[in-house]
Amino acid sequence: EDKVVQSPLSLVVHEGDTVTLNCSYEVTNFRSLLWYKQEKKAPTFLFMLTSSGIEKKSGRLSSILDKKELSSILNITATQTGDSAIYLCAVVGPGTYKYIFGTGTRLKVLA
Amino acid sequence: GAVVSQHPSRVICKSGTSVKIECRSLDFQATTMFWYRQFPKQSLMLMATSNEGSKATYEQGVEKDKFLINHASLTLSTLTVTSAHPEDSSFYICSAMDRALTNYGYTFGSGTRLTVV
Repeated sequence: EDKVVQSPLSLVVHEGDTVTLNCSYEVTNFRSLLWYKQEKKAPTFLFMLTSSGIEKKSGRLSSILDKKELSSILNITATQTGDSAIYLCAVVGPGTYKYIFGTGTRLKVLA
Repeated sequence: GAVVSQHPSRVICKSGTSVKIECRSLDFQATTMFWYRQFPKQSLMLMATSNEGSKATYEQGVEKDKFLINHASLTLSTLTVTSAHPEDSSFYICSAMDRALTNYGYTFGSGTRLTVV
């Protein structure tokens, strides 16, 4: 059965800290992995990763995929209170557009 | 970027009544939309795949007679929760993809918080 697991489940840090969120997967015929940020309502897109070892960056956020380890990490540097959210990892295989979501990591950044 | 509009954002209904939730793709056509359910502090659980002009595909354990999905046009999918019960109270979110923006994944609607009393 396809599975996506994120760790930690929750995390509390102080502003300025750097955090690393993990996503591991067991998915038949992996095609891509996506990271989303969910605050109060809809998840918003952060990154899509398809190739192993290529880092994607957007401001203080970066992410990389390791196909050998079947995992991805999402880094957030110099965290701000606005980074507080649930971070969701989703994996999709070929031939289907269904996303398999991970458990999510709830991040809280304290001022 | 692609925008998906979902209405209503919040609804309270009495037990036994039905509730319809709409999901519209704005400025793009979506042959496929997805409906998710999210319980508090949990991740998104895929309920069904909505296919324009054909029957929806439901995930295992999701009652198709309970959660009716209609995808009558390329820009609109509806989810109707029939004979709602308190245990149906949840956050429901739809998603769709603009095929011109496949590198950005699916766009999600803003969600509907359903409370059944």
